[in-house]
Amino acid sequence: DAGVIQSPRHEVTEMGQEVTLRCKPISGHDYLFWYRQTMMRGLELLIYFNNNVPIDDSGMPEDRFSAKMPNASFSTLKIQPSEPRDSAVYFCASSFRYLTYEQYFGPGTRLTVT
Amino acid sequence: GENVEQHPSTLSVQEGDSAVIKCTYSDSASNYFPWYKQELGKRPQLIIDIRSNVGEKKDQRIAVTLNKTAKHFSLHITETQPEDSAVYFCAAPNYGGSQGNLIFGKGTKLSVKP
Repeated sequence: DAGVIQSPRHEVTEMGQEVTLRCKPISGHDYLFWYRQTMMRGLELLIYFNNNVPIDDSGMPEDRFSAKMPNASFSTLKIQPSEPRDSAVYFCASSFRYLTYEQYFGPGTRLTVT
Repeated sequence: GENVEQHPSTLSVQEGDSAVIKCTYSDSASNYFPWYKQELGKRPQLIIDIRSNVGEKKDQRIAVTLNKTAKHFSLHITETQPEDSAVYFCAAPNYGGSQGNLIFGKGTKLSVKP
């Protein structure tokens, strides 16, 4: 298995631009998580899905952030408009709850907003 | 919901010494306690986990202990090596596991000096 796949790996954009991060979970996993990691705030859960349905989006910072999961093999996290404070590493993770709670993380997307 | 606190935030040891990281949790229904290791610039990866039906689990130089009465669990690394240098995260399930997501501690940066 290729593991969780994220793209792009690095993104540099200017303030005000739209940013879309992509994730492909491990095949067969029914949970998908989006995290944001910064030095100041650590690892923050933004939103997670179960069977493509958003379960908890209370970690989404504000309306500028949105996430979708149109099918079991693809999810996006969109920031529109982006701001410098959104600069962080964004991780996607997936798990198969009924076997274990282990979450498999993707390599992350390093976002820099100038 | 679950609250996880992790201490210390930084830990520096000499190569060959032992390292101990402690976490407390709030929800007595929590039944699964994983530890993740994140090397610099890499993704978090599961290194060991423990379920509530056991009090200790070992894997070579790594062990985890669980005290359900006191609601705390600890990671023990013996004979530390420079490659153990990383950030370690503890976690516990949210709402006793019924929701499928994990609540992560703030992390402990372990430095092993040669």
